[in-house]
Amino acid sequence: GAGVSQSPRYKVAKRGQDVALRCDPISGHVSLFWYQQALGQGPEFLTYFQNEAQLDKSGLPSDRFFAERPEGSVSTLKIQRTQQEDSAVYLCASSTGEETQYFGPGTRLLVL
Amino acid sequence: DAKTTQPNSMESNEEEPVHLPCNHSTISGTDYIHWYRQLPSQGPEYVIHGLTSNVNNRMASLAIAEDRKSSTLILHRATLRDAAVYYCILSDPTSGTYKYIFGTGTRLKVLA
Repeated sequence: GAGVSQSPRYKVAKRGQDVALRCDPISGHVSLFWYQQALGQGPEFLTYFQNEAQLDKSGLPSDRFFAERPEGSVSTLKIQRTQQEDSAVYLCASSTGEETQYFGPGTRLLVL
Repeated sequence: DAKTTQPNSMESNEEEPVHLPCNHSTISGTDYIHWYRQLPSQGPEYVIHGLTSNVNNRMASLAIAEDRKSSTLILHRATLRDAAVYYCILSDPTSGTYKYIFGTGTRLKVLA
């Protein structure tokens, strides 16, 4: 079956631009997570949704980062006024609400 | 948040078993132990998980110490396709926070 998909796969932005990253979770998965992975590091948690409710956003690094999941399915991670330190791979994962999370391929963001 | 420690890197010969260790001395009674692996330019891939008993699936086996303060992921016959970064992760479903806390993982190199 279809897994988690993310788009775009690659994004180059000029410093100061806004970007929007999309995640399509596995159909029927209640839980959705966003992670940020810097080069050579493990993924770091950003935020968590249960259906449309954002229950944990403790990992968002600044108020320039905003995530939404308005209908409890597709989610968008928006980064305003991008900075060079935002360059990373952004991973989305979904789960049924039980333990196992299934990850998408990630969006590689490069801010110049 | 419970933490895990893993060796930075390991090597194995092709078609030989591989034992990847993980220490989690601060594990709580309700923490599950998860293993994921990440191939280059891909998202993390679920390998196996367990709570107290040893677990087997088609990919690997998970051996959990009796005191649960350590675990070992066992790949029975390593192939070149098993070369990846392996992450050991703890998560507690009773906490209401389902986020994963990744470490830096173990980079497994498989020699032909």
